[in-house]
Amino acid sequence: GESVGLHLPTLSVQEGDNSIINCAYSNSASDYFIWYKQESGKGPQFIIDIRSNMDKRQGQRVTVLLNKTVKHLSLQIAATQPGDSAVYFCAENYGGATNKLIFGTGTLLAVQP
Amino acid sequence: DTGVSQDPRHKITKRGQNVTFRCDPISEHNRLYWYRQTLGQGPEFLTYFQNEAQLEKSRLLSDRFSAERPKGSFSTLEIQRTEQGDSAMYLCASSSREGSNEKLFFGSGTQLSVL
Repeated sequence: GESVGLHLPTLSVQEGDNSIINCAYSNSASDYFIWYKQESGKGPQFIIDIRSNMDKRQGQRVTVLLNKTVKHLSLQIAATQPGDSAVYFCAENYGGATNKLIFGTGTLLAVQP
Repeated sequence: DTGVSQDPRHKITKRGQNVTFRCDPISEHNRLYWYRQTLGQGPEFLTYFQNEAQLEKSRLLSDRFSAERPKGSFSTLEIQRTEQGDSAMYLCASSSREGSNEKLFFGSGTQLSVL
């Protein structure tokens, strides 16, 4: 996607198409990853997670792929709907006692009806 | 509603004033986190509690910021002598460990505007 306005990468898709949102994470030692969806004025909403010992996990209409070799995470949304329009964030867990999440730069998904 | 609850949803204040936000986590969760989010950015970690103990604070949390979780249930975040740069969405999240995973559930946030 290309940066727009607030420098958020944007992905524009037609309703019914599949969407793929990409994320590069920073720490090769991270062992847990989560995708969150955030609608305007709301807090992040959990979508799907994956541990580092897996490379693929499927949910309802969503699939997360993890490539540890290149530190890359992707979120695939099947049959994208207008209600999927939101900012999507990937988050990585560095591990350790705190288990805090570090968020990446979001991607704005705009679904055209 | 059994999710994470934050109050108020919006706060407008003048520079130099003190503000306090409240977070009520999911009742069975023992971990509570505060994050800050500015427009167009992902949430940034501020601090973390396990029960009533504050176990980690980010360098983002200046001396003007203080967080408490006195009884291991709700938490408050206070900002003293607010500055315009404090304007942001303040998010609270809670979690309970599932195996070794840490799934955070977020509230809707408190949007702070410092004039």
